[in-house]
Amino acid sequence: SQQGEEDPQALSIQEGENATMNCSYKTSINNLQWYRQNSGRGLVHLILIRSNEREKHSGRLRVTLDTSKKSSSLLITASRAADTASYFCATVFSGNTPLVFGKGTRLSVIA
Amino acid sequence: DVKVTQSSRYLVKRTGEKVFLECVQDMDHENMFWYRQDPGLGLRLIYFSYDVKMKEKGDIPEGYSVSREKKERFSLILESASTNQTSMYLCASSLVGTGLRDQPQHFGDGTRLSIL
Repeated sequence: SQQGEEDPQALSIQEGENATMNCSYKTSINNLQWYRQNSGRGLVHLILIRSNEREKHSGRLRVTLDTSKKSSSLLITASRAADTASYFCATVFSGNTPLVFGKGTRLSVIA
Repeated sequence: DVKVTQSSRYLVKRTGEKVFLECVQDMDHENMFWYRQDPGLGLRLIYFSYDVKMKEKGDIPEGYSVSREKKERFSLILESASTNQTSMYLCASSLVGTGLRDQPQHFGDGTRLSIL
């Protein structure tokens, strides 16, 4: 499967701590995207990082991409209870093909 | 903000029925997608469309069909519903950009479909 794989599957932290989620994939990518899904809702796009970029920031989010290791990480700093959600990576492979989503990491932030 | 609206949040149908799931987006996006989401399996692409009257099969098209008669509307059809089609269905849209690949997707809130 070309699907990206998130690690860990579930993560529980205290409010104020940092949360790190990882995504690994198997073949060369054009870009990688991270999405958040609150319980019972649709996915919301967080950030896109292209294959020629190594790091991007958006507010409390920091995404890194290591194409040599075929992996990406999403760091949420100073987490809040409202960050409780599932987080998905989605990869774009060569050609004009749609995104392929991983199975997600469930993050619980405890107040 | 982009708004993707799915016609029902919850739907209960019977085995063998023909089921229509509707999705409308208000931002003139060219691309539209239908996914199903099941525990442990993540999101799986059923069908997508990059233009009116155009459709492409995704990873799991069996038992489904789609219709895109207008740019803003993308319908998913379960020809003869079966219990293994009980799932959360998510619709998404995106700009064409330089293809299907480099634009973020905007999702609706999903339809939780139960087939009895």
